[in-house]
Amino acid sequence: GQNIDQPTEMTATEGAIVQINCTYQTSGFNGLFWYQQHAGEAPTFLSYNVLDGLEEKGRFSSFLSRSKGYSYLLLKELQMKDSASYLCAVMDSNYQLIWGAGTKLIIKP
Amino acid sequence: IAGITQAPTSQILAAGRRMTLRCTQDMRHNAMYWYRQDLGLGLRLIHYSNTAGTTGKGEVPDGYSVSRANTDDFPLTLASAVPSQTSVYFCASSDGGGSYNEQFFGPGTRLTVL
Repeated sequence: GQNIDQPTEMTATEGAIVQINCTYQTSGFNGLFWYQQHAGEAPTFLSYNVLDGLEEKGRFSSFLSRSKGYSYLLLKELQMKDSASYLCAVMDSNYQLIWGAGTKLIIKP
Repeated sequence: IAGITQAPTSQILAAGRRMTLRCTQDMRHNAMYWYRQDLGLGLRLIHYSNTAGTTGKGEVPDGYSVSRANTDDFPLTLASAVPSQTSVYFCASSDGGGSYNEQFFGPGTRLTVL
């Protein structure tokens, strides 16, 4: 079966750095996405990785290792507005997204 | 303003009733999707459409039907609602056509079936 694993919840301090991990086992791989979802709102796109390595976009970076079936999302200089759920999703061989359950990130002052 | 709209925002429905959730996008995207999101679970694909006139089944299609008569609209119908269909439903769209397939989401419909 297809499976995406990420921690259920993480806590971090404002101004700090946090790394959210995602491991996956899917039938085929056509890219990995990270989305942010604030409580009661729709998911919004953060990043896309299809090749191994690090993609940086401002305070957010995403890393991919296809051989390990592993990705992480790195958030720097945390702000209170970063409190949200972060969803990892993998595009499988049928070009459908398989979603993890999400990691709820709590930022404390 | 470009984007995806969904209606209704929320609904309480008696079991056995028929319900259609509406979804409209004005980005001229080819592909559209319906997901449900339940606490502790990832988004699960119900049905999708890669282009107007075609539809496909996702991971959890039972009890749901869709149609895609034109590019903009993708309604989801529950023929006879059951309590297990209580969920938040998100419609999404994308340009399609390959692996880079960022999906844009509507605001969601919160459905409660009693």
